Amino acid sequence: DTGVSQNPRHKITKRGQNVTFRCDPISEHNRLYWYRQTLGQGPEFLTYFQNEAQLEKSRLLSDRFSAERPKGSFSTLEIQRTEQGDSAMYLCASSFLGKNTIYFGEGSWLTVV
Amino acid sequence: TQLLEQSPQFLSIQEGENLTVYCNSSSVFSSLQWYRQEPGEGPVLLVTVVTGGEVKKLKRLTFQFGDARKDSSLHITAAQPGDTGLYLCAGVGSNYQLIWGAGTKLIIKP
Repeated sequence: DTGVSQNPRHKITKRGQNVTFRCDPISEHNRLYWYRQTLGQGPEFLTYFQNEAQLEKSRLLSDRFSAERPKGSFSTLEIQRTEQGDSAMYLCASSFLGKNTIYFGEGSWLTVV
Repeated sequence: TQLLEQSPQFLSIQEGENLTVYCNSSSVFSSLQWYRQEPGEGPVLLVTVVTGGEVKKLKRLTFQFGDARKDSSLHITAAQPGDTGLYLCAGVGSNYQLIWGAGTKLIIKP
């Protein structure tokens, strides 16, 4: 069990560019979550998957955001046409359906300049 | 909508003092988790409490889940500078999604 892994850990991009983050959950965890966190705030829910199905998306997830989990294992979060307001830490977490504990990755920092 | 109120939001105390952080809600949670987060890092799970009235201890940290599973507390005894950080509570709601408290920024001064 290597924990939830996210990469890249840091990304600096120019406004208008597209970025993609990857998350590898704990193996056999069938639930995968994406959160966004800005300084001084708690994480805000973006979306979650159960296996490969995306079951819920927050209103925070604009049309420029898309998440996939094609094989029910790793997931990607893509942000198109980035804006300065997208600058935040993007957190991935995973859990096993029926178990109460959710484990987080170390996060991917995005800075849009 | 489920909400979780965490207090205090900021706490600065001297080394050796005791402190308690509270998370309260009008909603019932199936469980509640406490995390600690360092700047630039993701939240690290400290404990999950599941049963109403449950008490769990992690060295100098004591976590309690209310009898009705609507509230929880974190008590730190003899705080040390290494305890400095952001403490977050999160209730596990429907669909196993997390309902977050606002966080408590804790500073322990030597």
